[in-house]
Amino acid sequence: KNEVEQSPQNLTAQEGEFITINCSYSVGISALHWLQQHPGGGIVSLFMLSSGKKKHGRLIATINIQEKHSSLHITASHPRDSAVYICAVNRSQGNLIFGKGTKLSVKP
Amino acid sequence: GAGVSQSPRYKVAKRGQDVALRCDPISGHVSLFWYQQALGQGPEFLTYFQNEAQLDKSGLPSDRFFAERPEGSVSTLKIQRTQQEDSAVYLCASSTGTSGGSGPGNEQFFGPGTRLTVL
Repeated sequence: KNEVEQSPQNLTAQEGEFITINCSYSVGISALHWLQQHPGGGIVSLFMLSSGKKKHGRLIATINIQEKHSSLHITASHPRDSAVYICAVNRSQGNLIFGKGTKLSVKP
Repeated sequence: GAGVSQSPRYKVAKRGQDVALRCDPISGHVSLFWYQQALGQGPEFLTYFQNEAQLDKSGLPSDRFFAERPEGSVSTLKIQRTQQEDSAVYLCASSTGTSGGSGPGNEQFFGPGTRLTVL
């Protein structure tokens, strides 16, 4: 079993829909990251959080430490949100353990 | 300022060839990480440097993989006698922090990656 599990693996949505991507982890962590990866490989950090909730524009990330679960929400989705969204967790020394990613496609 | 850069962006190697992949982290970033991302998978940790010290190389898949950061800035990942299973995107990331945690210094900034194809 992977230490970081994401669901769903693939997600297709219509423009304007509310989107949720889930992440569960089984190890002790110091922080959890949500990353966005576009075709071509570039990875951008969206959020880094260790408790509660963070919001940036149309993106919201939440984490429940007791349940070892995090969610990434996208409100009013747009085709430009189409990308792979990756959940990753920090171990104590700093290296990241990644989920396999969720491929999101938003149709106009 | 400039972000993390990697070169080459694409590399095609014949099986058995040696390759060297370069990472230029953000100036002043203490920590540097190498990750390997196979097609359709999430990245996986290879190795970690704090300045010039390689503190963790537990993710290197075999002794054909070697990484260095001799002056605590630029890092090189070398793969000897490449095999087809080495085909992947190799990602480099850097951060200002020196340990895990949720402080701003532990945000990792990623380079664009080097796509290695071994024929």
